[in-house]
Amino acid sequence: EVQLVESGGVVVQPGGSLRLSCAASGFTFDDYAMHWVRQAPGKGLEWVSLISWDGGSTYYADSVKGRFTISRDNSKNSLYLQMNSLRAEDTALYYCAKDGSSHGNLDYWGQGTLVTVSS
Amino acid sequence: QSALTQPASVSGSPGQSITISCTGTSSDVGGYNYVSWYQQHPGKAPKLMIYEVSNRPSGVSNRFSGSKSGNTASLTISGLQAEDEADYYCSSYTSSSTRVVFGGGTKLTVL
Repeated sequence: EVQLVESGGVVVQPGGSLRLSCAASGFTFDDYAMHWVRQAPGKGLEWVSLISWDGGSTYYADSVKGRFTISRDNSKNSLYLQMNSLRAEDTALYYCAKDGSSHGNLDYWGQGTLVTVSS
Repeated sequence: QSALTQPASVSGSPGQSITISCTGTSSDVGGYNYVSWYQQHPGKAPKLMIYEVSNRPSGVSNRFSGSKSGNTASLTISGLQAEDEADYYCSSYTSSSTRVVFGGGTKLTVL
C-alpha cells in the first residue's frame, strides 16, 4: 500500500524558515517524480514544486521561486521542502504527492502538514 | 503562470449527469494529453479520478469520464450520487517553467 506521510508543519514568524519532510513507502520511491502542493485555508489547490526521480531536475511555482527548495533522499525514501523567507501568504496545508507518469499525474497524496506563518 | 479556468460551482440532482469544464491554453491543456482531475471531500486529501484526459485509475467508478477539445477539458459525472458532492480540480502539464498548473476548483452540489 502506498503511503505518504508529511511532517514538519508548525507556526513560524514571517521571514522565518522551515523544512517539511515526506516519508514514502509502499512503492519504489526512486522510480517516480514527486510534488509538493499546498492549500490555503478555504482556498483551492496550488501546485508548489516538482522534483524528478533522481533529483536532477526541479521546478517551482513563481510564487515560491527563489525562496523554497525541493530535494529528495532516495536512500531514505524521503522528500523535503526547505522553505525560507516565509510570508503570511505561505500559510497552508502542504501535501506531498507521487507522480504516476512524470507529467503531472498525481496518483497518491499524503494527508498534509499545516504551516502557519504568523507573528 | 495563470491557473486553469473552472466554473466556481455546478449542481445536479441524483441520477442526472453534470459536466465540469477546465479551460487553458495551447501551452497546457491544448498542447498535451496530460490533464488530470481530482476529487476532494471536506477535510480530506485530493483523490485522482481521471488522468491523461480520459483514463480512470483502478477503483474509480465508470460514472466518471473525461474528454478534451482544443484548450478545454471536461469531466462528466453520470448517475449523480450524494457521495459525489465534493470539490473537483483539474490540472495539466504545461510547457512553462513551472511544469504543472491547477484549476481554481469547482464545488459540486448534489441537490
